[in-house]
Formats: sequence, C-alpha cells, structure tokens
Amino acid sequence: DGGITQSPKYLFRKEGQNVTLSCEQNLNHDAMYWYRQDPGQGLRLIYYSQIVNDFQKGDIAEGYSVSREKKESFPLTVTSAQKNPTAFYLCASTRRGGRGTEAFFGQGTRLTVV
Amino acid sequence: AQKITQTQPGMFVQEKEAVTLDCTYDTSDPSYGLFWYKQPSSGEMIFLIYQGSYDQQNATEGRYSLNFQKARKSANLVISASQLGDSAMYFCAMRGLSGAGSYQLTFGKGTKLSVIP
Repeated sequence: DGGITQSPKYLFRKEGQNVTLSCEQNLNHDAMYWYRQDPGQGLRLIYYSQIVNDFQKGDIAEGYSVSREKKESFPLTVTSAQKNPTAFYLCASTRRGGRGTEAFFGQGTRLTVV
Repeated sequence: AQKITQTQPGMFVQEKEAVTLDCTYDTSDPSYGLFWYKQPSSGEMIFLIYQGSYDQQNATEGRYSLNFQKARKSANLVISASQLGDSAMYFCAMRGLSGAGSYQLTFGKGTKLSVIP
C-alpha cells in the first residue's frame, strides 16, 4: 500500500544534541512538507520541497535543516540551535495541482527533550 | 500569502445532531483548494473533504459537507448525524492550485469537537 512512513514514533533528545527524523513516501509525490504541532495548536510549516535537491523555508525554519536527495525521502534534522524542540512533527506529501490534491500525512514523530 | 481562521477553539454537539465548524480564509491565489482534516487523539491527520475554488457545487463526502461561500471567503464544514467517533480536532487548510502557491499548504489552528452521548 502507498503511504508515508515516519520514524521513529517517539524520540528523546538530550540538550545540545542534533536528531534526525525520517520521512519516506512511496506515492510518487513531487512535494513534501514538514510541520510542527504544539499542544492545542495548529500545524506550522517548517520546510517544504517541491522537487529533488530543492527546498524552501517555511514559517518556523530556524533551528531545523532538511535535505531532498531522493524524491521518496525528506529527512528533518532538529539542531541544537532549536531552543524549544519538544513537539509533534508531521511529514506530508502532495502531488501537483488539480482535484484530489489533498496532502497525505505520516503518523508523526513525538520529540521530547530530556 | 494565505491565511486560515478558525474562530471556534472548542465545540460540543449532542450525538446524532448536526454541527457546523467555521472556517474563513484569505488568499491572493486566483485558484485554490480548501480542505478539511480530522485529527483524533492518536495524532494522525485524516483527510475528510475537498472544495476547489471554481467548483460550482458544494462538496459532499458521506456525512461531511462543505458550505462554500466564495464571496464571503468561508468554507464551513458540516457534519450530519454526529457520532461519538467524531470527537477530534478538525483543521481547515488551503492550497493554491497554480504558481508559487501550489505547493504551500496552510492550516488553521483547529477546532476541538466533542460529541456528547
């Protein structure tokens, strides 16, 4: 079955560490996104990528980095520069315009700083 | 720039009754799509319904319908015959369908719906 796989489901990070969240899709979608969700809040865009080897900053990119070396993969690194990284992270993908262009989401990664 | 506003942080509805969740939007894109997603406590995002800006008819998907009023820039979700399993967060979102806006999906802050037995 086609879909998006995020791993791990839960992640614990010590202060000052970088961690990488994995996102893989087999939907052949062009665009991929990373969102952050804080408790009781909506989704805020961190980074998005329209095509391999290209990505753009979203609204809250500071302290995060991404890469898009393959169409299927869009990993997110939470760096030590991110002051408050504890949150729920969702990866999504979409295909190019037209009907049925809903975003497909992964199951999410819950990151906690300990 | 795109903006989605959901003014109801929380809503209660009696089981089997209908409920309307409000959503207003703002965009400079000439064509766009509007979406509603459901997020249960497990965290997954479930796509519910889609409305294109040039669609003549309001979208319907089973118990979900979208009350689209383009002139008022509103895209309210109507859930008929509420069920206990409908208790969740609901997010309105939009995406441009052409040009630079076609890749950016913008979400509102969500409405928490609680269905009362």
